[in-house]
Amino acid sequence: AQKITQTQPGMFVQEKEAVTLDCTYDTSDPSYGLFWYKQPSSGEMIFLIYQGSYDQQNATEGRYSLNFQKARKSANLVISASQLGDSAMYFCAMREGPPGGGNKLTFGTGTQLKVEL
Amino acid sequence: EPEVTQTPSHQVTQMGQEVILRCVPISNHLYFYWYRQILGQKVEFLVSFYNNEISEKSEIFDDQFSVERPDGSNFTLKIRSTKLEDSAMYFCASSEAPRGGETQYFGPGTRLLVL
Repeated sequence: AQKITQTQPGMFVQEKEAVTLDCTYDTSDPSYGLFWYKQPSSGEMIFLIYQGSYDQQNATEGRYSLNFQKARKSANLVISASQLGDSAMYFCAMREGPPGGGNKLTFGTGTQLKVEL
Repeated sequence: EPEVTQTPSHQVTQMGQEVILRCVPISNHLYFYWYRQILGQKVEFLVSFYNNEISEKSEIFDDQFSVERPDGSNFTLKIRSTKLEDSAMYFCASSEAPRGGETQYFGPGTRLLVL
């Protein structure tokens, strides 16, 4: 079974609208972390937001928020007020095990987001 | 803002040749990682490194691969005898010490093309 599933290969959104990128995960470890990274066409990987499995509140970073539903094992990224510069590939990733252990990240297949005028 | 740097940005090599990819992690970080991304595919973990030794490696990281921290700032990935299927973007990443943040910050990548 895939550890990270991103079911939307491509998404379109109008500028200034909000968009939700889906991510579901699979782990039996009670301690884990979920990350979202942005990869523009230039290729670099930019960290956006992090949610720990024991965090009580959903993470937010500026226009990014993470809709964490632990029982459903989902960690969807919400981008509010989309901008043209948000057009990129977005990857969801998971670290299994407690924080601080230097554990690897497992990535999903990504969602290509295109913001239109 | 501190960042991970990687050199070269692009490398073209002949099959069978050795390549060394270089990374300078963020200065106060103690965990280092290499990942790769074959064109159009997802990012895959290769190896993690802490306290001058490998902490974990994937099945991809076979005997053709090695990592080294030759001095206090550089972290290198060596591929001894490159194959066509080694063509990919290689990312270095680093994260802080155990009691610090655990986010892995990625470098801009080295795009390797094996001919």
